[in-house]
Amino acid sequence: AIQMTQSPSSLSASVGDRVTITCRASQGIRDDLGWYQQKPGKAPKLLIYAASTLQSGVPSRFSGSGSGTDFTLTISSLQPEDFATYYCLQDNIYPWTFGQGTKVEIK
Amino acid sequence: QLVESGGGLVQPGGSLRVSCAASGLTFSTYWMSWLRQAPGKGLEWVANINQAGNEKYYLDSVKGRFTVSRDNAKNSLYLEMNSLRAEDTAVYYCARLLMAAAGPNWFDPWGQGTLVTVSS
Repeated sequence: AIQMTQSPSSLSASVGDRVTITCRASQGIRDDLGWYQQKPGKAPKLLIYAASTLQSGVPSRFSGSGSGTDFTLTISSLQPEDFATYYCLQDNIYPWTFGQGTKVEIK
Repeated sequence: QLVESGGGLVQPGGSLRVSCAASGLTFSTYWMSWLRQAPGKGLEWVANINQAGNEKYYLDSVKGRFTVSRDNAKNSLYLEMNSLRAEDTAVYYCARLLMAAAGPNWFDPWGQGTLVTVSS
């Protein structure tokens, strides 16, 4: 199975900060990668698919980049509602696999 | 909107069926999926099923024990779980699977989840 390694596993940041989360695949996955946000006690929410396509309704401060094995989720200016856990997911080869998650906490 | 139901406490080795009722989308035209999240842990993909219900994919650890199915007339998705183990304890989410012609794929929306606890 393809292993997805997310980093960091957690980070502390302030409102207004630029935040970058990375995800590395154990083999090339083209751009078959999505990013999901999950708040405590809630279902995950799609932010980005196809590595860089912003889901409709998601604020433009979220962006994704990368292809092959290395991917990045960037929040350009962190807002109070962005404190959550973020997961990457590869959907290139079965079994589809998630990264272990990055918890973004208030500094 | 997707609404899961049927979760609960089951003994190891037991069986349970969870359901997902869809509304506000043309259910029969979409692939659907099950995913899960063990308490305090990350997300895990479990199974996909195509529109007709005749193409299915499973996580290796559930193959032969779990069966995904659907009833398009009832706008419902199901996950039949047999030979349950403690490690199957999780919140089970259903999600609509959107698929581009040559990949990639993505899950949107997700249901709120239903908790399955496997314990004696």
